[in-house]
Amino acid sequence: AQSVTQLDSQVPVFEEAPVELRCNYSSSVSVYLFWYVQYPNQGLQLLLKYLSGSTLVKGINGFEAEFNKSQTSFHLRKPSVHISDTAEYFCAVRHGSGNTGKLIFGQGTTLQVKP
Amino acid sequence: NAGVMQNPRHLVRRRGQEARLRCSPMKGHSHVYWYRQLPEEGLKFMVYLQKENIIDESGMPKERFSAEFPKEGPSILRIQQVVRGDSAAYFCASSPPGQGAQGTQYFGPGTRLLVL
Repeated sequence: AQSVTQLDSQVPVFEEAPVELRCNYSSSVSVYLFWYVQYPNQGLQLLLKYLSGSTLVKGINGFEAEFNKSQTSFHLRKPSVHISDTAEYFCAVRHGSGNTGKLIFGQGTTLQVKP
Repeated sequence: NAGVMQNPRHLVRRRGQEARLRCSPMKGHSHVYWYRQLPEEGLKFMVYLQKENIIDESGMPKERFSAEFPKEGPSILRIQQVVRGDSAAYFCASSPPGQGAQGTQYFGPGTRLLVL
């Protein structure tokens, strides 16, 4: 069965500092990987996704993530965060084959950007 | 192009009542997904529907919960005889046809259900 583990429940960081949010997944088959952001009382917005090809994926708002198949990881990074990046971040995985459409989400990581 | 619409945004029910949550997918999208987010937890998949068909309901509780996506109109998630443990945020997502597992799911703002 697939599962997603986000290793940090909360990540406090100062404004303009770099940040990495960690995500590991377990799956015996090919997967597609996603990062979503959720601002308070809102729905989820897609930051980026990995389907195939280059393992470094660039997304919106200056975020990027690197797919590492040998370590089954898909960590999210940003070189310099802003106060407005304060939000909940979710890593998700989806089967690469078959008809199932479901996303399996991690528990989420709260990014707290301090001035 | 309007995004995924959900209504109501907030819903309060007493134990034993019924809750009906509506989701209108983005224009041109024929795939709808429902997820539930309990407090302090991530989203959990409930059901995946295409027009008039349930494709995967592996995440739906066996009793009291049902979902439909009729040929015309929004998708409905129905919870009968609600209990306090049903209090959660319910999110709907939609995706366009023909993209398979690569398709991006676009999420609505959610319905926050509170059971008193």
